[in-house]
Amino acid sequence: QSALAQPASVSGSPGQSITISCTGSSSDVGAYKFVSWYQQHPGKAPKSIIYDVTQRPSGVSIRFSGSKSGNTASLTISGLQAEDEADYFCSSYASSSTYVFGTGTKVTVL
Amino acid sequence: QLQLQESGPGLVKPSETLSLTCSVSGGSISTTSYFWGWLRQPPGKEVEWIGSIYNSGSTYYNPSLKSRGIISVDTSKNEFSLKLRSVTAADTAVYYCAREEGATRGSGGWFDPWGQGTLVTVSS
Repeated sequence: QSALAQPASVSGSPGQSITISCTGSSSDVGAYKFVSWYQQHPGKAPKSIIYDVTQRPSGVSIRFSGSKSGNTASLTISGLQAEDEADYFCSSYASSSTYVFGTGTKVTVL
Repeated sequence: QLQLQESGPGLVKPSETLSLTCSVSGGSISTTSYFWGWLRQPPGKEVEWIGSIYNSGSTYYNPSLKSRGIISVDTSKNEFSLKLRSVTAADTAVYYCAREEGATRGSGGWFDPWGQGTLVTVSS
């Protein structure tokens, strides 16, 4: 399984919306409704912010939303805030009952 | 609040066995509906799922590990463990344990919460 492709970096100003893409294949993102997204601040444990493509865990801000089209999933952060500056990575369930993860995206709040 | 904490040696020699334990607090590892997983992130690379275990001992692994990994659970201690044999420099990574949600649906899930992670370096 190859890693899911994400842009290395995305930036935006406070209040703006940004979207991070996560591109896989017909064996992972395109085949299953089990895409999740994680936020990781430096030196901290990853935190789940989206699961099952569009679902938010309890306590996660409604500013985070997920979607999927074909082999590409997307995470949108609306109303960008300084606290959103972190690394984000996606994951998908894949064939052979395994998980594949994304290459990671660094979000910078300008 | 559920918390997970990894522990184990930070340095392992090539060809030896890496052993890590994940202690779970704030909840029982015997709770139904959850698997418990190990993941790792080599320096500068993406996260890799290693494998997961249910409280009954049922496991499933990433085929890329080529059967080098074994995950076990000790419900009496509320912890689960990873052993990875025949390690090489390519196994140097931050190792995380995490609760795997949704997997008992018979297909994919997600990982939450994660432990802080522990860096394991393979070097002589």
